[in-house]
Amino acid sequence: AQSVTQLGSHVSVSEGALVLLRCNYSSSVPPYLFWYVQYPNQGLQLLLKYTSAATLVKGINGFEAEFKKSETSFHLTKPSAHMSDAAEYFCAVSDGLGGSTLGRLYFGRGTQLTVWP
Amino acid sequence: EAGVAQSPRYKIIEKRQSVAFWCNPISGHATLYWYQQILGQGPKLLIQFQNNGVVDDSQLPKDRFSAERLKGVDSTLKIQPAKLEDSAVYLCASSPRRMDYNEQFFGPGTRLTVL
Repeated sequence: AQSVTQLGSHVSVSEGALVLLRCNYSSSVPPYLFWYVQYPNQGLQLLLKYTSAATLVKGINGFEAEFKKSETSFHLTKPSAHMSDAAEYFCAVSDGLGGSTLGRLYFGRGTQLTVWP
Repeated sequence: EAGVAQSPRYKIIEKRQSVAFWCNPISGHATLYWYQQILGQGPKLLIQFQNNGVVDDSQLPKDRFSAERLKGVDSTLKIQPAKLEDSAVYLCASSPRRMDYNEQFFGPGTRLTVL
């Protein structure tokens, strides 16, 4: 079964500081991994995705994530936080299509990022 | 390109009443998803359609929830009767086709409060 654990439900950083949001996954098959961002009263927007190509994935708004199979991690980083980055971030894993799997997305509980001026 | 549209955006009902949500996916997207997002949790898939057929409804509480996607475009999700624990944001998402790592495009959601 697939699952995602996001360490830290709340993260606070100062503007210009490094952003690090942690995600660990459990998957019985090679995973496809995603980070989504949700601004207040809006739907989720894809930041980036890992699809078994490069292990370092670059996304929108300066975010990137590194897939580490040995650590079963897919942490999200941004070198310098901006006030506009304040939002909730969700890590998700897909079990892909084929056999008994249906390509379902399994989401973590989310991490609320606060950026202080 | 217009995004995924959902209505209403907010709904307040009393327990045991019924409610329906509507979703219009991005034009041409074959796959449509309904998620339930309870406060403090990540979205949980309720049902997945491929065109107008159900692909996955294993997590849909079928005693009170139902969904349809007539003609493979718009979709409605209904709850009858509602319970207090159904209070959540209901998200609709669509993707062009079923793929392992297909991006899902989300609508703004409908926030349901059951009193």
